[in-house]
Amino acid sequence: GAGVSQSPSNKVTEKGKDVELRCDPISGHTALYWYRQSLGQGLEFLIYFQGNSAPDKSGLPSDRFSAERTGGSVSTLTIQRTQQEDSAVYLCASSADYLQGAKAFFGQGTRLTVV
Amino acid sequence: GNSVTQMEGPVTLSEEAFLTINCTYTATGYPSLFWYVQYPGEGLQLLLKATKADDKGSNKGFEATYRKETTSFHLEKGSVQVSDSAVYFCALSGGADGLTFGKGTHLIIQP
Repeated sequence: GAGVSQSPSNKVTEKGKDVELRCDPISGHTALYWYRQSLGQGLEFLIYFQGNSAPDKSGLPSDRFSAERTGGSVSTLTIQRTQQEDSAVYLCASSADYLQGAKAFFGQGTRLTVV
Repeated sequence: GNSVTQMEGPVTLSEEAFLTINCTYTATGYPSLFWYVQYPGEGLQLLLKATKADDKGSNKGFEATYRKETTSFHLEKGSVQVSDSAVYFCALSGGADGLTFGKGTHLIIQP
């Protein structure tokens, strides 16, 4: 597609359930980033992929969070046993190369609400 | 570690007013600096950037100058329009670990 696509756009889930968020980057972009936008907290960097590899996972908030990327394209962010504090907008971005990390294009985000 | 501080809104102005949104940063080394904009219902977009001291980024009538001596990158526009209403994020990039963002400033322009 022409831009970064995220799905679902909205997700309401019960506390304790697992959720999976999907990101389709711009075709050909090797770098992919996940951010979380919490109310009043600004944008928080979670993880980035160069190809299928995530060199540093220390930005993930807890061990309930995991992310993977396959085929150098689609990425999924999985949150297990969701908690209310996980409620946020999860943004995905891609760029042609991680060295050009600032020239990133963002998706519209997935709004996650944990009730 | 890196951090970005920007004025929090909402900032409400009348059309054609002068806009300044302050941004200061803390970083090791020589980061690149950016302003991103998020219009209602849309994803983040890069508005402008500056990669070294004294560089001025500009786009759509917005300007920001990289001031190393004051560690600032304030966003300015001489005459705002209703269509400029959005959330503006100041950010810095210190390497391959993504961007560090400020909390965002919600700008509301009234006709």
